[in-house]
Amino acid sequence: GAVVSQHPSWVICKSGTSVKIECRSLDFQATTMFWYRQFPKQSLMLMATSNEGSKATYEQGVEKDKFLINHASLTLSTLTVTSAHPEDSSFYICSARGQRLLNEQFFGPGTRLTVL
Amino acid sequence: AQSVTQLDSHVSVSEGTPVLLRCNYSSSYSPSLFWYVQHPNKGLQLLLKYTSAATLVKGINGFEAEFKKSETSFHLTKPSAHMSDAAEYFCVVTPLGGGGNKLTFGTGTQLKVEL
Repeated sequence: GAVVSQHPSWVICKSGTSVKIECRSLDFQATTMFWYRQFPKQSLMLMATSNEGSKATYEQGVEKDKFLINHASLTLSTLTVTSAHPEDSSFYICSARGQRLLNEQFFGPGTRLTVL
Repeated sequence: AQSVTQLDSHVSVSEGTPVLLRCNYSSSYSPSLFWYVQHPNKGLQLLLKYTSAATLVKGINGFEAEFKKSETSFHLTKPSAHMSDAAEYFCVVTPLGGGGNKLTFGTGTQLKVEL
């Protein structure tokens, strides 16, 4: 139980285009989802927290107009990187917290974004 | 406020020898502590967690960690390393009972296992 998936697992796009990444909780309802960014050989940095049906809460320094987060259902959250640039290239990881297991986050496998 | 310091960015051991990955934390409240493992281009897998029960916590794949409040440490150990243990390990802290909330990650320790 408590499986989180991400799609796509990797994506390459041209500079200036937008990319959408999906995060799904497969066998539980995720009341809260988290989006992290990880640069090569570095730790995970929390970008934003989203609660189902509410606007996401962004961490300091994260542009909300650049990284659009939608959490429209209890099993799906999306991160859209708008007008992507090469500096947005990174590994994006989501995690989800359910109603029954409030003390743990379950992580997705990550999405590798490369912007040319 | 909370923070985590992983004292070694790289650790190299021989297969079959013990593993020690060090983690110190700082927290203004009682902490929950976690160790996660990440294999290349993969997401994070929870190894073990401390949530104020037993101070010696046993996890998956033979790993364990001991919470030492007096030393503000939560070091990860394994008696005998296996090649498949080679990965990145993250120590994580959050307020007690708040593992589903904001996590603070250490900078990671890359474990290399040699034949």
